[in-house]
Amino acid sequence: QVQLQQSGPGLVKPSQTLSLTCAVSGDSVSSNSATWNWIRQSPSRGLEWLGRTYYRSKWYNDYVISVKSRITINPDTSKNQFSLQLNSVTPEDTAVYYCARESRGLADSWGQGTLVTVSS
Amino acid sequence: DIVMTQSPATLSVSPGERATLSCRASQSVSSNLAWYQQKPGQAPRLLIYGASTRATGIPARFSGSGSGTEFTLTISSLQSDDFAVYYCQHYNHWPRTFGQGTKVEIK
Repeated sequence: QVQLQQSGPGLVKPSQTLSLTCAVSGDSVSSNSATWNWIRQSPSRGLEWLGRTYYRSKWYNDYVISVKSRITINPDTSKNQFSLQLNSVTPEDTAVYYCARESRGLADSWGQGTLVTVSS
Repeated sequence: DIVMTQSPATLSVSPGERATLSCRASQSVSSNLAWYQQKPGQAPRLLIYGASTRATGIPARFSGSGSGTEFTLTISSLQSDDFAVYYCQHYNHWPRTFGQGTKVEIK
């Protein structure tokens, strides 16, 4: 059974960088059949799929346009985990952030969620 | 990006009754449509994929239908555990997008 365990701070100051990590067990981030995703949820924006990283003979990333200039998702194969970095945050980035595995197009395994508040 | 529109925003249903939720895509997503259930403080849980296939462990009272741009989730006889928010999501291409959700509440 795939499990995803999130870690990272719940409070970030405006203009700083939001950083979260998702540790994977029961699958490999280097899998050729899965993608590894970050999704956030807020009352104002609903559920928003931010981006993904995946391995298909080489590493790829896809990001949603709304955050493309500020986001980086990186795999760490040595620890079987992946991370999210979101730069230059504002209060609009306050949300619950989830990591998720997508397999065959389906987000079938999710992390527990991390409430990240952007405030000074 | 494809816009997913769900209706109604809130559905008030008595236990044992049938609930019908709708989801419309701004362009065709074929059958690449999933439904999720979310309860307070929890991550979304996959219910239906391929528009009509139940995920592992999902009771038969949940069923999905539709293709192209119009989709329906039906809960045949609502149990107390089913009162939650339901989201549709397409996975036809990148970026994936979700609907805004339908809250199923006790009448």
